[in-house]
Amino acid sequence: DAKTTQPPSMDCAEGRAANLPCNHSTISGNEYVYWYRQIHSQGPQYIIHGLKNNETNEMASLIITEDRKSSTLILPHATLRDTAVYYCIVRVSNFGNEKLTFGTGTRLTIIP
Amino acid sequence: GAVVSQHPSWVICKSGTSVKIECRSLDFQATTMFWYRQFPKQSLMLMATSNEGSKATYEQGVEKDKFLINHASLTLSTLTVTSAHPEDSSFYICSGRGLRSNQPQHFGDGTRLSIL
Repeated sequence: DAKTTQPPSMDCAEGRAANLPCNHSTISGNEYVYWYRQIHSQGPQYIIHGLKNNETNEMASLIITEDRKSSTLILPHATLRDTAVYYCIVRVSNFGNEKLTFGTGTRLTIIP
Repeated sequence: GAVVSQHPSWVICKSGTSVKIECRSLDFQATTMFWYRQFPKQSLMLMATSNEGSKATYEQGVEKDKFLINHASLTLSTLTVTSAHPEDSSFYICSGRGLRSNQPQHFGDGTRLSIL
């Protein structure tokens, strides 16, 4: 199963772009990269996912390198409400039951 | 976006009692539901995966007789913690996913269980 590596913590000034890196050097060709975040005492919130191409939605952009060994989640204009733990996950498939394996994530703190 | 409702959000009960937690997908059919547990300052740990109408698949180390999972419909799954003890105190979170395997999971807001 592909594992991910993220920095344990990051700070970002309010209003600036937050760029969260993730390494997944053992990713397989058919595995997607998912990003979730968890605000304190809440369930994880889906942000975005992708396979090969860069993706953008109303929340964020996902940049995946050409070799797919790493990716970056971009929050274009960070607000205080974006303070959370961000999880980069490669979807694991096991006997037909796809499951998400959460690592320790990156604790992003938005500074006023 | 897809919504998953979890109930109750918070429960305190005495040691030895059983507690049932409900997880509902409100605007999509969750063919697969997942149950996670999260201890303070730790990440989410998957407990079990259930497909509608089938028996749940439990992760290694999770007692299936202790944590009973029912997924009888496409919109409802329940987790019953039987004969709960203080060490079962944790944050329990469910998620649901639709039919296509590359669809994202959508999570409930969790249930904080405290056993006295």
